[in-house]
Amino acid sequence: DTAVSQTPKYLVTQMGNDKSIKCEQNLGHDTMYWYKQDSKKFLKIMFSYNNKELIINETVPNRFSPKSPDKAHLNLHINSLELGDSAVYFCASSQVASGRASDTQYFGPGTRLTVL
Amino acid sequence: QKEVEQDPGPLSVPEGAIVSLNCTYSNSAFQYFMWYRQYSRKGPELLMYTYSSGNKEDGRFTAQVDKSSKYISLFIRDSQPSDSATYLCAMSRNGANSKLTFGKGITLSVRP
Repeated sequence: DTAVSQTPKYLVTQMGNDKSIKCEQNLGHDTMYWYKQDSKKFLKIMFSYNNKELIINETVPNRFSPKSPDKAHLNLHINSLELGDSAVYFCASSQVASGRASDTQYFGPGTRLTVL
Repeated sequence: QKEVEQDPGPLSVPEGAIVSLNCTYSNSAFQYFMWYRQYSRKGPELLMYTYSSGNKEDGRFTAQVDKSSKYISLFIRDSQPSDSATYLCAMSRNGANSKLTFGKGITLSVRP
């Protein structure tokens, strides 16, 4: 049973295209995240949703739009793809309502995006 | 200057060696400190979690936090080839389930 799953695993596309990445978690968590990891392995948070409400929105181009249809899903839509968007995108989830600071974030397997 | 700096890599050690991985940070508001391990083509997974200053041991792994120096370390004893992975330090103000700021990551290779 996969806790946090992402589709697709690999995405190769041309500059200027629009693409979406989907994420689902079956852990019953209330919070989900999108991270971007560049070619040098630097991992940076992009967005976070708690119970479908956007709570973290880092300095990300507005070509990136997250959407959370329900607590178990968080999708990432990217418009007008650029070469610099090539990276691995990770979805993660955690339980914030527990109040336990030690409750960890569980990461998905990543989506490797290549923009040509 | 980035908020979190991690020693550059890659790092290659023989099996059985003691490994020391280090991060420094500039934001004194960070209270929670984590180490994540990421195998090739996989997502990061939490390895160690500590709150504030002190040491925490879990098997062959020891995490150390010195808030006065803004310095954290991860020690791996008796390193194994299965420890070969990228190690990322991460920090936050409010816990492991809040906004995390990561270091760049260091790739460790343990030679049999």
